[in-house]
Amino acid sequence: QVQLVESGGGVVQPGGSLRLSCAASGFTFSTYGMNWVRQAPGKGLEWVAFIRNDGNNKYYADSVKGRFTISRDNSKNTLYLQMNSLRPEDTAIYYCAKHLMGSWGTFDYWGQGTLVTVSS
Amino acid sequence: DIVMTQTPLSSPVTLGQPASISCRSSQSLVHSDGNIYLNWLQQRPGQPPRLLIYKISNRFSGVPDRFSGSGAGTDFTLKISRVEAEDVGVYYCTQATQFPYTFGQGTKLDIK
Repeated sequence: QVQLVESGGGVVQPGGSLRLSCAASGFTFSTYGMNWVRQAPGKGLEWVAFIRNDGNNKYYADSVKGRFTISRDNSKNTLYLQMNSLRPEDTAIYYCAKHLMGSWGTFDYWGQGTLVTVSS
Repeated sequence: DIVMTQTPLSSPVTLGQPASISCRSSQSLVHSDGNIYLNWLQQRPGQPPRLLIYKISNRFSGVPDRFSGSGAGTDFTLKISRVEAEDVGVYYCTQATQFPYTFGQGTKLDIK
């Protein structure tokens, strides 16, 4: 069965960096586009970034553009999110989510999420 | 950016009764491929979101048939024919027709 397991969250000071990982299993990772979506405590969902299956196309929310970088290693079945220049407003649970084949931008499976807290 | 507006934001319902959530987009969701990528997600308390409906009206694998989606243009609806206790949570509409993907504010469904 499809499994997505995020890791790498934690507490970081404003201006700091973190790298999140999402280990995928149960499907052919290299075939699917992948996303990061975040949810601030008690708030709604915000899409963060998308990467095409081959890693050649990437899109970002304006709120993270220039600070966050999405990447993937298809040989390791792993998705990444490098987060630099972190701000308190980046505090959230970060989920990785897989695309449904044949339905653009449809998130069919989600991980359990990893919490990032940006605070001094 | 496409703004997704849900109503109501809170919906107390009686078990066994129907429920309905509306979602309006600020512009057309017709993709260049002719499809409309309007999806519905459910988030139960303490859980990650779960896909319910994709491309307006297609139920995802394992989703009970009491959930249905409809709509056209810029107005879309999620209906639950008979609410069960396990349906408690927050429901989000989301558009994936263009970047950035955007979500509605969420509608909290709880039991009266």
